[in-house]
Amino acid sequence: AQSVSQHNHHVILSEAASLELGCNYSYGGTVNLFWYVQYPGQHLQLLLKYFSGDPLVKGIKGFEAEFIKSKFSFNLRKPSVQWSDTAEYFCAVINAWGGDYKLSFGAGTTVTVRA
Amino acid sequence: GAGVSQSPSNKVTEKGKDVELRCDPISGHTALYWYRQRLGQGLEFLIYFQGNSAPDKSGLPSDRFSAERTGESVSTLTIQRTQQEDSAVYLCASSGTSDAEQFFGPGTRLTVL
Repeated sequence: AQSVSQHNHHVILSEAASLELGCNYSYGGTVNLFWYVQYPGQHLQLLLKYFSGDPLVKGIKGFEAEFIKSKFSFNLRKPSVQWSDTAEYFCAVINAWGGDYKLSFGAGTTVTVRA
Repeated sequence: GAGVSQSPSNKVTEKGKDVELRCDPISGHTALYWYRQRLGQGLEFLIYFQGNSAPDKSGLPSDRFSAERTGESVSTLTIQRTQQEDSAVYLCASSGTSDAEQFFGPGTRLTVL
C-alpha cells in the first residue's frame, strides 16, 4: 500500500517568509500527486495536482510544487507567505495504473503565519 | 448542487448507539468516497462507490461500518454500536472519474461519549 510522509507537523513563520513543505511517498510506479489545503472552518480544497508533463506545477494562490521522481517527492513551495495562508496542508497520492482510486494522504502540516 | 454537502455537521452520540451520516455528491459525479480523519492524523480511506459497480469496502475498519449509495446520488454511512474510537471527522468526496480531482464536503464531526 502507498504511504505518504509529510516531514513537518507544524510550521510557524512570519509574513513574507518562504515556505517549503516536504512530501514523500512510497510507491515507485506511476502516480498522480496532489496538495490539498484546509483553511480554518472550511472544506478541504485542491491547491495543485500533478498527473504528467512538466514536473514543476503551479497552483492557486502562488503555490507551486515540484515532482522529483528519483526522490519520490512532491514538495510544496511558496516564495512569500501571507497571513491568509494559515491552514493545514495535506499531500495525497494515487497510484495512476488502471483501477486505483484510493487517495493516500499524509498526516498533514499545520502552517501558522504570523502577521 | 454547487458542492458536496454532508449532514449532520456535528453529531454527538452515546457509546453503543447507531449513527447515520449522509453525503450528497456533486451532481453528475459518478465516483463517491468516504474518508475518516482522526485528530492529528491524515485522511483514512473507508469506502468507494463508482457508478453501478460493486463498492470497494476494503477500508471499512469493522463490520459495524456499512455504507450505501442510491444510484449516482446520495450515500449514507452507518456506524452501528458506536465506540469511542469511532470519534472522528467523516469526510465525503466525489469526482467525475476515478482518478480525477476529488471534491470534498465539509465533513461530519462525530463524537462518541
